[in-house]
Amino acid sequence: EIVLTQSPGTLSLSPGERATLSCRASQSVSSSYLAWYQQKPGQAPRLLIYGASSRASGIPDRFSGSGSGTDFTLTISRLEPEDFALYYCQHYDNSPLFTFGPGTKVDIK
Amino acid sequence: EVQLVESGGGLVKPGESLTLSCVASGFPFSVSWMNWVRQAPGKGLEWVGRVKRNTEGATTDFAAPVRGRFSISRDDSRNTVSLRMNSLRVEDTAVYFCTKDYFGSCDYWGQGALVTVSS
Repeated sequence: EIVLTQSPGTLSLSPGERATLSCRASQSVSSSYLAWYQQKPGQAPRLLIYGASSRASGIPDRFSGSGSGTDFTLTISRLEPEDFALYYCQHYDNSPLFTFGPGTKVDIK
Repeated sequence: EVQLVESGGGLVKPGESLTLSCVASGFPFSVSWMNWVRQAPGKGLEWVGRVKRNTEGATTDFAAPVRGRFSISRDDSRNTVSLRMNSLRVEDTAVYFCTKDYFGSCDYWGQGALVTVSS
């Protein structure tokens, strides 16, 4: 079973700064099945990135994903006030089908 | 506009059963795979199960913690997917989200239904 680790646990930044979030898999995974989500308190998660680097519908281009093998990155080029939230990576495989990372909280410095 | 609306959550005792429903609109439901994902209070996301299309036999898959206790069914005539939860445990307490499958991700989510298992 693949385990996803996200770092850092919390990222404290100011609006306008660049955010770099890491997701590491316990073994090499297909980048076709690596996704990123944003979740705000009391809301459902929202898909940001699928296939490691493809933005989901309606997602601003300040969000970008990259990586391959075991190391993946979500980058927010310039933080907007609405970007302060919790971010999860997720991988799709055989069993279990979906594995989520523990999340990275991006909060205001 | 895509919408997923869950219902059926509530408070139940350990060992009891509960069924959640999710009504979908705004996309071709009959050709979509559907998932259930849960989130315990203050915790992260955990995938629960998935149902494929009826043309694929409505095949289901489940996470190990719920396998054998939970089942998923779909009714394409009503654009509805249901999660039947039997033998509920305290650790099943969570918000349950209905999601639409998209190339190994979940591109649309419902607002969630809270299930509380407590004596």
